[in-house]
Amino acid sequence: GQNIDQPTEMTATEGAIVQINCTYQTSGFNGLFWYQQHAGEAPTFLSYNVLDGLEEKGRFSSFLSRSKGYSYLLLKELQMKDSASYLCAVRVTGGGNKLTFGTGTQLKVEL
Amino acid sequence: DGGITQSPKYLFRKEGQNVTLSCEQNLNHDAMYWYRQDPGQGLRLIYYSQIVNDFQKGDIAEGYSVSREKKESFPLTVTSAQKNPTAFYLCASSIGFGETQYFGPGTRLLVL
Repeated sequence: GQNIDQPTEMTATEGAIVQINCTYQTSGFNGLFWYQQHAGEAPTFLSYNVLDGLEEKGRFSSFLSRSKGYSYLLLKELQMKDSASYLCAVRVTGGGNKLTFGTGTQLKVEL
Repeated sequence: DGGITQSPKYLFRKEGQNVTLSCEQNLNHDAMYWYRQDPGQGLRLIYYSQIVNDFQKGDIAEGYSVSREKKESFPLTVTSAQKNPTAFYLCASSIGFGETQYFGPGTRLLVL
């Protein structure tokens, strides 16, 4: 099976930078997704990594190291609206390209 | 506007009752998915459909059923066999199976 670990909660200050880590143990790794989910709402797609390295999209960046089974989501210039849960999801070929989701990291941005 | 809609937003189920959750998309996506989200747990896959008229069980299919008679629609029925149905149900679609999934707004199911 697949195992995905994320910290349960994090707190950061408005205007700062925060890094949310995700580690995974899988066979047949075929991509990693990050989603943002505000309370009671649908997850929204943030980023996708399948090769090693950094993908940047505005204030959000995502990094992947396949050899280490490790990814992080970097949020810069934090805003209050960034308070949400951040979900890491791994796709594996052995699972028929299905996604397995981590339990999510609840980020709280404070003044 | 293209997107995924789910209805109703809240649904109440009585003991022994079957209820059906609606999911519609106008994105022309081939693949559709149903997930269940419980507090402190990740999204868990109930059923998925790679193409119209085809669907497969996910990780927690017991007590649920689906149909995929039209490309746009993938309704989920929560049967009386599902003993713990209270959860937030999310429908998603992707242009092809395994591609980036986009989610609907969700239906919260509560048991009376």
